[in-house]
Amino acid sequence: EAEVAQSPRYKITEKSQAVAFWCDPISGHATLYWYRQILGQGPELLVQFQDESVVDDSQLPKDRFSAERLKGVDSTLKIQPAELGDSAMYLCASSPRYQETQYFGPGTRLLVL
Amino acid sequence: DQQVKQNSPSLSVQEGRISILNCDYTNSMFDYFLWYKKYPAEGPTFLISISSIKDKNEDGRFTVFLNKSAKHLSLHIVPSQPGDSAVYFCAASGTGNQFYFGTGTSLTVIP
Repeated sequence: EAEVAQSPRYKITEKSQAVAFWCDPISGHATLYWYRQILGQGPELLVQFQDESVVDDSQLPKDRFSAERLKGVDSTLKIQPAELGDSAMYLCASSPRYQETQYFGPGTRLLVL
Repeated sequence: DQQVKQNSPSLSVQEGRISILNCDYTNSMFDYFLWYKKYPAEGPTFLISISSIKDKNEDGRFTVFLNKSAKHLSLHIVPSQPGDSAVYFCAASGTGNQFYFGTGTSLTVIP
C-alpha cells in the first residue's frame, strides 16, 4: 500500500539552529500539505501545495519557516532559526487531485532545546 | 478561534460495547467531514468521511452521523475492540480544501 514518507522521524536541535524536514507524498498525489501538531491539539495547516505552487501559506511564520516543492513531487520544510516553541510534531499529508481525503505520513517529532 | 471542537478529551468503553465520539463545528460553510485515528508516534490514519449531502455514512464497524442543523457529527464504533484504542480527530473543510481539526478524543477500549 502506498504511503507518505517523512524523514527524519525524530529531530533534536538547539534553539537558533536550522532544521529541515523532508516529505515524499504518495505517487501521483498533486496536493501536499504540511501541518504542525502541538501536544494535546489537533494538526494545524502550515502550507498547502498544488503541484509545485503554494496554494495557502497564510499560517506559515514566514520570518523563520520556508517550504518548497520544486518539481511538484517531494517537499522540504525548513525552520531557521528554531525556537523553543517550535517543538511539535510536523506532519505531511497528500491527496489526489480533486479529492479531499488527505493521507498522512508518520510525522517528524521536533524537540528544540 | 477553534472552528472544530471535540469537547471530550477522553473516553473509556468496555470491549464489545458501542463507542460514541462527538464533534461540533461553528462554520456553516463546512461541507466535508472526516475522522482520523492516531496511534502514538504515528501520523493520523483516515477512517471515514461524510459530505454534507448525507446524514450518515457506514463502513464496517464505523458509522459517522452528521446533523447539519446542530453543526454536530459523531462517530460510532460497534463493537469496540481493544485495537480501537487511539486518539480520534474529526476534521472539517469548506471551499479551498483547508481542513480544520479538532483537538482529539483519546479512546480506551477496556478488554
